[in-house]
Amino acid sequence: SAVISQKPSRDICQRGTSLTIQCQVDSQVTMMFWYRQQPGQSLTLIATANQGSEATYESGFVIDKFPISRPNLTFSTLTVSNMSPEDSSIYLCSVLKGTDTQYFGPGTRLTVL
Amino acid sequence: GNSVTQMEGPVTLSEEAFLTINCTYTATGYPSLFWYVQYPGEGLQLLLKATKADDKGSNKGFEATYRKETTSFHLEKGSVQVSDSAVYFCALSAKAAGNKLTFGGGTRVLVKP
Repeated sequence: SAVISQKPSRDICQRGTSLTIQCQVDSQVTMMFWYRQQPGQSLTLIATANQGSEATYESGFVIDKFPISRPNLTFSTLTVSNMSPEDSSIYLCSVLKGTDTQYFGPGTRLTVL
Repeated sequence: GNSVTQMEGPVTLSEEAFLTINCTYTATGYPSLFWYVQYPGEGLQLLLKATKADDKGSNKGFEATYRKETTSFHLEKGSVQVSDSAVYFCALSAKAAGNKLTFGGGTRVLVKP
């Protein structure tokens, strides 16, 4: 398995501002992912964070809105830019261990006013 | 593309009742199948997994069998406890899709004493 931490655990932000979420894992991993979970919904993949290169975004998500950094094999950040109330969600990072199993962080609960 | 369908909730049970949550999938090739659990206010935890046909995953009294002929991975527990109250997500991962997880919509389970 993997021990994953996220900061902050929750935040309340004003519209138009940006928030950067950090994800730290206790061992080196090749693949890290960022998901969004809107209230009462399932998880939607935002992007795959690639070490040393630009993130790979899913349909409907763009780099200008969700810039991602991955400076090394244990750390990644997701920024939610120019926030609106529709961005209120739980944001989760995950890591791939072995060939097929993802482990998730505790999530960041974001409320945008 | 890949998809996962699971029964909608909420499912309300009494303690010690039998729990079944249905999950079916559509995928090309041979995906790995997972059940994740999300307790109130927390991130996702891996509950169990199965990687090939007829495999049975089990953990904490929960079981699920990979049925390729019916493309199903139903979750069962023989005697639930109040502490099993959570949202359960069925998911699949396929190498051909870059190891991305495809989630079902989630099923909320409420166990009453």
